Amino acid sequence: GQNIDQPTEMTATEGAIVQINCTYQTSGFNGLFWYQQHAGEAPTFLSYNVLDGLEEKGRFSSFLSRSKGYSYLLLKELQMKDSASYLCAPSGGYNKLIFGAGTRLAVHP
Amino acid sequence: SAVISQKPSRDICQRGTSLTIQCQVDSQVTMMFWYRQQPGQSLTLIATANQGSEATYESGFVIDKFPISRPNLTFSTLTVSNMSPEDSSIYLCSVHPSGRADEQFFGPGTRLTVL
Repeated sequence: GQNIDQPTEMTATEGAIVQINCTYQTSGFNGLFWYQQHAGEAPTFLSYNVLDGLEEKGRFSSFLSRSKGYSYLLLKELQMKDSASYLCAPSGGYNKLIFGAGTRLAVHP
Repeated sequence: SAVISQKPSRDICQRGTSLTIQCQVDSQVTMMFWYRQQPGQSLTLIATANQGSEATYESGFVIDKFPISRPNLTFSTLTVSNMSPEDSSIYLCSVHPSGRADEQFFGPGTRLTVL
């Protein structure tokens, strides 16, 4: 079967670092996407990991371990505008994305 | 990246009617996907729209309810047929630009409310 597990909610303080974990089990795996979604808006592409290891992109980094079925999104120097839902989405056969329920992040001053 | 537009951006419809949603991309793409996001939930893949062939539907979605057209490499439509209040959702199209598997972008979505 297919299963994606992320924490439902997280809170953090402005300027801090937060790590959002995602574990997955999918039939077929090409890579893993992370998206940011603000309320009422479409998801915005953040990162894609296909190889094991850490991919850094500015304040956001994403890590993948294929053997463990595990990924995380690391957000540094948090800003109020980072308050959003973060969606973990493994890519399987035919490049189809399977989305987790998402993690709602609240950043407080 | 790809610039994706959807029409309409939102609509309020009566139960039993149908609505066709359009998705236009500014470049040719091989695969287009249609997703649904019900209130407070994450995204669910409805189908893959392939140019020149029938759409491929995911489990729980059927062509009679969600017919899809893909007349060319930049355009697709999704029709929500015989609507009920349970169809109230945001419907999003998504593409891999230039066939690149490492990028997938979403259109702005169509917010549908069925009364």
